[in-house]
Amino acid sequence: DTGVSQNPRHKITKRGQNVTFRCDPISEHNRLYWYRQTLGQGPEFLTYFQNEAQLEKSRLLSDRFSAERPKGSFSTLEIQRTEQGDSAMYLCASSWGQGATDTQYFGPGTRLTVL
Amino acid sequence: AQTVTQSQPEMSVQEAETVTLSCTYDTSESDYYLFWYKQPPSRQMILVIRQEAYKQQNATENRFSVNFQKAAKSFSLKISDSQLGDAAMYFCAYRSPGSARQLTFGSGTQLTVLP
Repeated sequence: DTGVSQNPRHKITKRGQNVTFRCDPISEHNRLYWYRQTLGQGPEFLTYFQNEAQLEKSRLLSDRFSAERPKGSFSTLEIQRTEQGDSAMYLCASSWGQGATDTQYFGPGTRLTVL
Repeated sequence: AQTVTQSQPEMSVQEAETVTLSCTYDTSESDYYLFWYKQPPSRQMILVIRQEAYKQQNATENRFSVNFQKAAKSFSLKISDSQLGDAAMYFCAYRSPGSARQLTFGSGTQLTVLP
């Protein structure tokens, strides 16, 4: 169990460019979540997968955002035509999805800076 | 929609002393889960403690305990015998029991531990 990993850890891009982030959950975790965290705030939910199915999307997830989890393992989050307002920390979490508490374990995040 | 409020943006405590971080939430649900997460500087978020709303007994994890007041919708975290390593941003989070698995976070409390 190596924990949730995210790559890259930092990304600097120019406005209008596309970026893609990757999340590798804890092995055998069937649930995967994406959150966005801006400076001084708590994380805000973006989207959630159970296995390969994307079951829920927040209103924060505009049409420029797309997430996939093609084989129910790793996940990617793509932002097209980035805007300065997209600058934030993007956090991934995973959980086993069993039991009442279904604890989410977080990765280190990808910090995006849009110039 | 559920909301989580942390009214203390910053707190400080002397090493070896006890500190209490406050959290209130708003919900119309009777069953739910509450969490405290810790986010050290430049490090990933880790779970500190969790509480199921149907349990009357307050959760305890070593030096960390909660005071869960369901009627008042209050969920405070008490850290006893504070250590330098406890310095971090602390987030209170709420989760519904149903299919909506996302966490709703408060804005966080920055805890400083003074030597």
